Amino acid sequence: TQLLEQSPQFLSIQEGENLTVYCNSSSVFSSLQWYRQEPGEGPVLLVTVVTGGEVKKLKRLTFQFGDARKDSSLHITAAQPGDTGLYLCAGRNTDKLIFGTGTRLQVFP
Amino acid sequence: DTGVSQDPRHKITKRGQNVTFRCDPISEHNRLYWYRQTLGQGPEFLTYFQNEAQLEKSRLLSDRFSAERPKGSFSTLEIQRTEQGDSAMYLCASSLALWDGEQYFGPGTRLTVT
Repeated sequence: TQLLEQSPQFLSIQEGENLTVYCNSSSVFSSLQWYRQEPGEGPVLLVTVVTGGEVKKLKRLTFQFGDARKDSSLHITAAQPGDTGLYLCAGRNTDKLIFGTGTRLQVFP
Repeated sequence: DTGVSQDPRHKITKRGQNVTFRCDPISEHNRLYWYRQTLGQGPEFLTYFQNEAQLEKSRLLSDRFSAERPKGSFSTLEIQRTEQGDSAMYLCASSLALWDGEQYFGPGTRLTVT
């Protein structure tokens, strides 16, 4: 069974701080996606990484795919209250997604 | 709005009743997925369609669950004889049938079985 573990599970920080969320697996994925989900809503796609070692930036968010395509990280610079939410990584297994356990981020003003 | 839509957004039902949810994918997407998400967990794959063909079903999809996509457009997910353990958020996603087709999710249907 493929598992994606995310750490930390919970993160509570002040506005302006930096943070990193990790997504780890023992399995190789053809691609990995990061989503953000707000309470009562569906996940919203942030980014897809495909190539080992790939780095993608989305404003203050930096995503990296591990060289072996087994792990990924999400770094947020100068977090803002609007970044609050559940961050999910998802590895692509054939045609379906295997989701991580999620990291719940709370950014206080 | 041309995103994925789901109906209803919330459903409260009594144990033993049948419920049906509907998903309308993004119009040009030929793949449609169903996932289930319980509180504090990431979504878990249930089943998916390419056009009208159901290509894969998870072991999570018991005999009480059935999904259809009769014309290759919208899909329905029916749960018969609901149990309290069925309480969850049911999410629908759609994508193009590409090897790296990105999946876009709807807002979900929150099911509560009392």
